[in-house]
Amino acid sequence: GAVVSQHPSRVICKSGTSVKIECRSLDFQATTMFWYRQFPKQSLMLMATSNEGSKATYEQGVEKDKFLINHASLTLSTLTVTSAHPEDSSFYICSANPDPGSYEQYFGPGTRLTVT
Amino acid sequence: QKEVEQDPGPLSVPEGAIVSLNCTYSNSAFQYFMWYRQYSRKGPELLMYTYSSGNKEDGRFTAQVDKSSKYISLFIRDSQPSDSATYLCAMRVAAGNKLTFGGGTRVLVKP
Repeated sequence: GAVVSQHPSRVICKSGTSVKIECRSLDFQATTMFWYRQFPKQSLMLMATSNEGSKATYEQGVEKDKFLINHASLTLSTLTVTSAHPEDSSFYICSANPDPGSYEQYFGPGTRLTVT
Repeated sequence: QKEVEQDPGPLSVPEGAIVSLNCTYSNSAFQYFMWYRQYSRKGPELLMYTYSSGNKEDGRFTAQVDKSSKYISLFIRDSQPSDSATYLCAMRVAAGNKLTFGGGTRVLVKP
């Protein structure tokens, strides 16, 4: 199956700093990637849809200036958490859609962010 | 009310038993229905996919969709301890590729 990687797998940062998370599709091209946030024992909450070469579409309630998304190539999307605060601590997961018309989304292994 | 409801569990069963999972939903426009398995601190992995109503079987897994009742199910036969995970249902409308997830059910299969 298609493989999606995320880097880093775990990051600890100080409050007020920015953190960048990378999502890569390793063996396919993805015109669309998704960013999710998952709190402990809760489901995935879609944050934004990232389309290659265009601006991301953010879900209601997600601050676009805080969660910067860049999808500069067909295999890479990045999520930057700017001026991180402890309440931003969470598990961030990306997924990639190889075909816009397909139901398939392949998920990355997730990134655990802890803001101290 | 959430668009997709799923009992959080935990659901504890002995090894070899049938695991029965389900989700209910409110949006009649959902056409594609998926089940994902997620191990602790890992990303979700697609298990089953069904379009519209009907049944689908793949090995030990059977997915059922009843659109008239807005109810979907996943059955796992001959459960193994390695099936212990959180199972998430997800669905989407025909147009677009955005998934709506249920809250997930934690399953424990005891040896």
